[in-house]
Amino acid sequence: GAVVSQHPSRVICKSGTSVKIECRSLDFQATTMFWYRQFPKQSLMLMATSNEGSKATYEQGVEKDKFLINHASLTLSTLTVTSAHPEDSSFYICSARTGLLAYEQYFGPGTRLTVT
Amino acid sequence: AQTVTQSQPEMSVQEAETVTLSCTYDTSESDYYLFWYKQPPSRQMILVIRQEAYKQQNATENRFSVNFQKAAKSFSLKISDSQLGDAAMYFCASAGSARQLTFGSGTQLTVLP
Repeated sequence: GAVVSQHPSRVICKSGTSVKIECRSLDFQATTMFWYRQFPKQSLMLMATSNEGSKATYEQGVEKDKFLINHASLTLSTLTVTSAHPEDSSFYICSARTGLLAYEQYFGPGTRLTVT
Repeated sequence: AQTVTQSQPEMSVQEAETVTLSCTYDTSESDYYLFWYKQPPSRQMILVIRQEAYKQQNATENRFSVNFQKAAKSFSLKISDSQLGDAAMYFCASAGSARQLTFGSGTQLTVLP
């Protein structure tokens, strides 16, 4: 159990365009999902916490107008990178908690974004 | 705020041998959890083991065990009978009342055949 999927696994887009990444909890309902960014050989950096039916909470330094997060259902959160630039190229990972009181998170397989 | 420190950027172990990865943490909370996650080359984050801070007994999961020293704020991971498939980046993480994970910088484990 506790499987999280992410789509797409890889995406290449042109500078100035937008790209959407989906994160789904397949076998459980996730009231809270998280979005991370990971640079090569570095740790995961939390970008935002996504709560179903409410606005996402962004970490300091993360541009909320660039990284739009929507959590419209208990099994789906989306991250849209708007007006992408080459410096947005990175590995994006989502995760989900299995319940409001749960501590551990289960992770999606990640999305590699390349902006040309 | 919580901080997690992994002081070993890289470690190596011979196949079938035992290796211990170090992790220290800092938190002002009394209720928290500690985790070890594994990230193999596929980059899929996999939960290896977790420890509830209120439990004195060290967690074990097959070949993986932890040495949880609460007073010293230390949480090391021991991998016994290392296998080639254990090669990965290992992240230590903590979660407090906000239930957000704070990750260490990671330890890259190489398993030598």
